[in-house]
Amino acid sequence: KNQVEQSPQSLIILEGKNCTLQCNYTVSPFSNLRWYKQDTGRGPVSLTIMTFSENTKSNGRYTATLDADTKQSSLHITASQLSDSASYICVVSATNAGNMLTFGGGTRLMVKP
Amino acid sequence: GAGVSQSPSNKVTEKGKDVELRCDPISGHTALYWYRQSLGQGLEFLIYFQGNSAPDKSGLPSDRFSAERTGGSVSTLTIQRTQQEDSAVYLCASSYTPGVYEQYFGPGTRLTVT
Repeated sequence: KNQVEQSPQSLIILEGKNCTLQCNYTVSPFSNLRWYKQDTGRGPVSLTIMTFSENTKSNGRYTATLDADTKQSSLHITASQLSDSASYICVVSATNAGNMLTFGGGTRLMVKP
Repeated sequence: GAGVSQSPSNKVTEKGKDVELRCDPISGHTALYWYRQSLGQGLEFLIYFQGNSAPDKSGLPSDRFSAERTGGSVSTLTIQRTQQEDSAVYLCASSYTPGVYEQYFGPGTRLTVT
């Protein structure tokens, strides 16, 4: 069964600090991995998309890494801001499932002043 | 340009009633997806449309759920004989083509079944 697991479930950090969110997956055959940010009451917004051949991808203060061998990804947030408070969702797509996405449960991040 | 829009934004219905949720994808996007997000849960895939191909309905939780996409654009998700466990936020997303192309999400419809 395709699964995506994220850790931690929740995280509180102080403004200006860095943090790293983890994602492990068992989706196969792998197509791509995405990180989304979802503010409360809003739809998810894409941060990064990575295919098998990509190891790292950045989007401003967000940097995602992918290790396709160990089936792990991380999202690193640098110099956190209050507006980073949101849920971060790891999503993996398989090539043989109509590109259906398997979603992780998300990490709820709270940035405090 | 305009993003994915959904209506209504909120819907409260009585148990046993039917509801219809609407999604307007981004113009030109051939792929359309419906997801459900229950309180405290992750996103759950429901159904996927790609062009004129038969939809992938593998995520629909029961035969009370159905969806159609008319003219390759607007989609309607219908839930018949609603149950309290159907209460959730229903999200629609579209992409230019399936695969690596970005999926753009609508704001969702919050359904509450009383």
